[in-house]
Amino acid sequence: NAGVTQTPKFQVLKTGQSMTLQCAQDMNHNSMYWYRQDPGMGLRLIYYSASEGTTDKGEVPNGYNVSRLNKREFSLRLESAAPSQTSVYFCASIRRGGTEAFFGQGTRLTVV
Amino acid sequence: QKEVEQNSGPLSVPEGAIASLNCTYSDRGSQSFFWYRQYSGKSPELIMSIYSNGDKEDGRFTAQLNKASQYVSLLIRDSQPSDSATYLCAVINTGGFKTIFGAGTRLFVKA
Repeated sequence: NAGVTQTPKFQVLKTGQSMTLQCAQDMNHNSMYWYRQDPGMGLRLIYYSASEGTTDKGEVPNGYNVSRLNKREFSLRLESAAPSQTSVYFCASIRRGGTEAFFGQGTRLTVV
Repeated sequence: QKEVEQNSGPLSVPEGAIASLNCTYSDRGSQSFFWYRQYSGKSPELIMSIYSNGDKEDGRFTAQLNKASQYVSLLIRDSQPSDSATYLCAVINTGGFKTIFGAGTRLFVKA
């Protein structure tokens, strides 16, 4: 039972490049989330998917797109990376509304 | 006003003391409240959840909730150096699907 798995763990991009962060959970959870964490800012919600087939914007969605491919997988895409997107990205899943979040190990992204 | 606010610290306490961490939230309809612990370079992990007004105790940890004051706190008794971490307060919004985090409070426990 792996829980929440994110790939890659580390990535360096040049400004303007694109990439997709992958997230998969094997806990049969309904809701999945993408957060970014910057020093002193805590976790800020980028996008979330309350259930398969739905996605909604969070606090800081600009510059990102998401896809809820199926119940297990929720990907985050940066179409044209910018240095302001340098951050640690966490994927999380929640069994149902109102319950605790389970996190992946994080992706450390640097945009130069 | 941020949706979830915490004192960023750092909070420094001696070993064996009580550490008190505080959090306020703006969505009056919120029903679920959590405290996560995050060690440097690691993912957040759940340490306490609380859903009703009052106190909830689990070992050395006590969570306190006051919905009227929109206030959540975490007490850590007999603090240990291994408790040194960032503590994140999280609140689920009225709709039940958005988990919003505070900026976190860094706690240092001095041996």
